[in-house]
Amino acid sequence: DAGVTQSPTHLIKTRGQQVTLRCSPKSGHDTVSWYQQALGQGPQFIFQYYEEEERQRGNFPDRFSGHQFPNYSSELNVNALLLGDSALYLCASSPETGMNTEAFFGQGTRLTVV
Amino acid sequence: AQSVTQLGSHVSVSEGALVLLRCNYSSSVPPYLFWYVQYPNQGLQLLLKYTSAATLVKGINGFEAEFKKSETSFHLTKPSAHMSDAAEYFCAVSEGSQGNLIFGKGTKLSVKP
Repeated sequence: DAGVTQSPTHLIKTRGQQVTLRCSPKSGHDTVSWYQQALGQGPQFIFQYYEEEERQRGNFPDRFSGHQFPNYSSELNVNALLLGDSALYLCASSPETGMNTEAFFGQGTRLTVV
Repeated sequence: AQSVTQLGSHVSVSEGALVLLRCNYSSSVPPYLFWYVQYPNQGLQLLLKYTSAATLVKGINGFEAEFKKSETSFHLTKPSAHMSDAAEYFCAVSEGSQGNLIFGKGTKLSVKP
């Protein structure tokens, strides 16, 4: 089992550009969540996808959007990049939603905005 | 809204010494609590979770945590530190019916030989 895989591992973008990050969940998992981890901080919840719909969203602007595909993989899109968007973006998958559910994390995508 | 506070952004111990990483939570409902570990340039790995079945929770790599409702705490301990324990540790509480996680700011553990 490959676990949660994210691509790319690193990328550099210029302010104002758009970026798409990708995530393949662990086998058997249908729920995908995205987190942003700024340097020296804990991860912050962006949103969660289940059955191709956004189920819950954290306190992030509309520049952050996502998508989930029928095979449960997911994309995170960020438009009009700001320097402050530089962070490690983590994808987590779980076999179900719920407060007791363990989330499995990928290694993350390190985004640098210059 | 739930929140998590981790006391001490950096803890340093000697190899073989006790590890104690502190976590206090704020929750209006019985919480589900988690400890995750993050090694450099890696994602997060679950160490253990509290689900109300038992107040003392045992996790992987010899770690355990005790839930104390009266103190709203969920501190992480390990009797004897190993060099391989050097990493960043995050306490988290589950929020909402969908289970998204609210993380603390993390504690970086250093282990001296």
